[in-house]
Amino acid sequence: SQKIEQNSEALNIQEGKTATLTCNYTNYSPAYLQWYRQDPGRGPVFLLLIRENEKEKRKERLKVTFDTTLKQSLFHITASQPADSATYLCALAPAGYSTLTFGKGTMLLVSP
Amino acid sequence: GAVVSQHPSWVICKSGTSVKIECRSLDFQATTMFWYRQFPKQSLMLMATSNEGSKATYEQGVEKDKFLINHASLTLSTLTVTSAHPEDSSFYICSANPGGQYNQPQHFGDGTRLSIL
Repeated sequence: SQKIEQNSEALNIQEGKTATLTCNYTNYSPAYLQWYRQDPGRGPVFLLLIRENEKEKRKERLKVTFDTTLKQSLFHITASQPADSATYLCALAPAGYSTLTFGKGTMLLVSP
Repeated sequence: GAVVSQHPSWVICKSGTSVKIECRSLDFQATTMFWYRQFPKQSLMLMATSNEGSKATYEQGVEKDKFLINHASLTLSTLTVTSAHPEDSSFYICSANPGGQYNQPQHFGDGTRLSIL
């Protein structure tokens, strides 16, 4: 069956460190992969999109990698801040599907 | 730019009531909008794709007679939960983007927390 897996346990890190979140997928051939941030009681906010022919994408302190061989995307936040604390969702747009499918998300907690 | 507004933010009502949720694109036209449902600590689950001027496309397992979708204009889609019951309590979120493309960045509303007593 098709799955998108993100770490279910919260990731706790200290301010200033780099946070790395993982998104693994099985039985998909995504053309695009997206990352979103969701705060409690709010809708997701788009962060980055990476295409299947791109290995890496950066935006300010954010970096996303996409390895279609490993079927994995890594999401990095460098110099993390307490304000980065939120749940981060990955989402796939599989080829041949006309919908976006989301993982459950990983909660990131950055302590001062 | 590309702001999506959702109303109301939260609703508490009695079992058997019908509840309407509005999703508006404020600064762009949206021929397509997406409706999701999210249970606590779960992923967003797509319920249906709302198409302006035509019938919505529902995902497998979503009752179209229970969750009525109307997309009567290029800036407004509504989701009506008919005869709501406690099991319909959830967080409902809509999304859209200027190009109407499912695989491009989505702009989400802030969701509607629905609680059925």
